[in-house]
Amino acid sequence: DQQVKQNSPSLSVQEGRISILNCDYTNSMFDYFLWYKKYPAEGPTFLISISSIKDKNEDGRFTVFLNKSAKHLSLHIVPSQPGDSAVYFCAASASGTGNQFYFGTGTSLTVIP
Amino acid sequence: DTAVSQTPKYLVTQMGNDKSIKCEQNLGHDTMYWYKQDSKKFLKIMFSYNNKELIINETVPNRFSPKSPDKAHLNLHINSLELGDSAVYFCASSPNRVSSEQFFGPGTRLTVL
Repeated sequence: DQQVKQNSPSLSVQEGRISILNCDYTNSMFDYFLWYKKYPAEGPTFLISISSIKDKNEDGRFTVFLNKSAKHLSLHIVPSQPGDSAVYFCAASASGTGNQFYFGTGTSLTVIP
Repeated sequence: DTAVSQTPKYLVTQMGNDKSIKCEQNLGHDTMYWYKQDSKKFLKIMFSYNNKELIINETVPNRFSPKSPDKAHLNLHINSLELGDSAVYFCASSPNRVSSEQFFGPGTRLTVL
């Protein structure tokens, strides 16, 4: 019962172009979403978050968009850099669940120099 | 300065053995977690403790027992290891149990032979 899905296991983008990573969820009670970045042999590190009261959150080159009606969120990286090459996980939680996050299976991003 | 540390990083053991993985965080956080990432890269929460109190206990075999001697430590003990327990186990912490980012350790790769 996978409540958060990342349907693209991998993505390749040229350096300087935009990377768009997608995430879908099924539970309408989810109201807080995070994106994590993971390098090999390391734990995930927090990248950016968005609450359901917003539809966009921006932090430097990273922007997350939330479409609640479609139960869809996306992460945009502009411009993409080789150091962005990593696995990106989206995660979602519902208020009152004790910070219990459900993770997607990740999208491996490769930025080609 | 390591924020969330886990030991050991790698653990190879025989079926039927009992093993423990230790986790420590020096961030002063109240809440700690254990996640399992299986071969399909699916990152799933197992347990969460808030100030040494168990708050999330997902459906995991009772061979898995978390222990929190203080709020900076959350150890995972596994009895009678099985082949299917082979995975990467991540410890994480967050400032509190309300929706917030979680800080992950580097992971422990457990291989059961």
